[in-house]
Amino acid sequence: AQTVTQSQPEMSVQEAETVTLSCTYDTSESDYYLFWYKQPPSRQMILVIRQEAYKQQNATENRFSVNFQKAAKSFSLKISDSQLGDAAMYFCAYRSAKNGNKLVFGAGTILRVKS
Amino acid sequence: DTGVSQDPRHKITKRGQNVTFRCDPISEHNRLYWYRQTLGQGPEFLTYFQNEAQLEKSRLLSDRFSAERPKGSFSTLEIQRTEQGDSAMYLCASSLLSGTGNTIYFGEGSWLTVV
Repeated sequence: AQTVTQSQPEMSVQEAETVTLSCTYDTSESDYYLFWYKQPPSRQMILVIRQEAYKQQNATENRFSVNFQKAAKSFSLKISDSQLGDAAMYFCAYRSAKNGNKLVFGAGTILRVKS
Repeated sequence: DTGVSQDPRHKITKRGQNVTFRCDPISEHNRLYWYRQTLGQGPEFLTYFQNEAQLEKSRLLSDRFSAERPKGSFSTLEIQRTEQGDSAMYLCASSLLSGTGNTIYFGEGSWLTVV
């Protein structure tokens, strides 16, 4: 079974600074998808960024980028120019390409943004 | 397109009572998922539907839980004889069928407190 581990329960960043959230996963599959979801205090989960395992290029969405290291099974999220609205719980998630019926989530990282 | 909506948003019930949650997915999304999230944890997969067929159920879904999607549109999740351990947020999500990498969109969740 696949597992996702987020080793940082909580992180803090100063507004306008950069922060990196860590995620590692365990799988025996070679084809899969990885996601970062954001869950603000209003609780609706929002997709931040996704990465296909077959792509070597790291995904980027505006201020959000990932560092995908397939051999190391690592998938970190970098947030540049942090804004107050970035404060939320961030979840790393895995989805199999063969049996993509569900997402496997990590325990999450609370991100606090200081003004 | 108003997103995934869930009702009620909050429910407090006495132990032993039955509760039902409703989910309206994004229109034309033929996959619908239920997840459970407890405080400080990531969501855990419960079950999913493809149109009206329930195709997978997690071992977390005990006999007291039943989910339906009668016409392939909205879904209900019923918990019978609630226990304090059922206290959690129940998240509904939906996606399109084509491609296992398709984005899964989440609702705001239904909070259940069993007293």
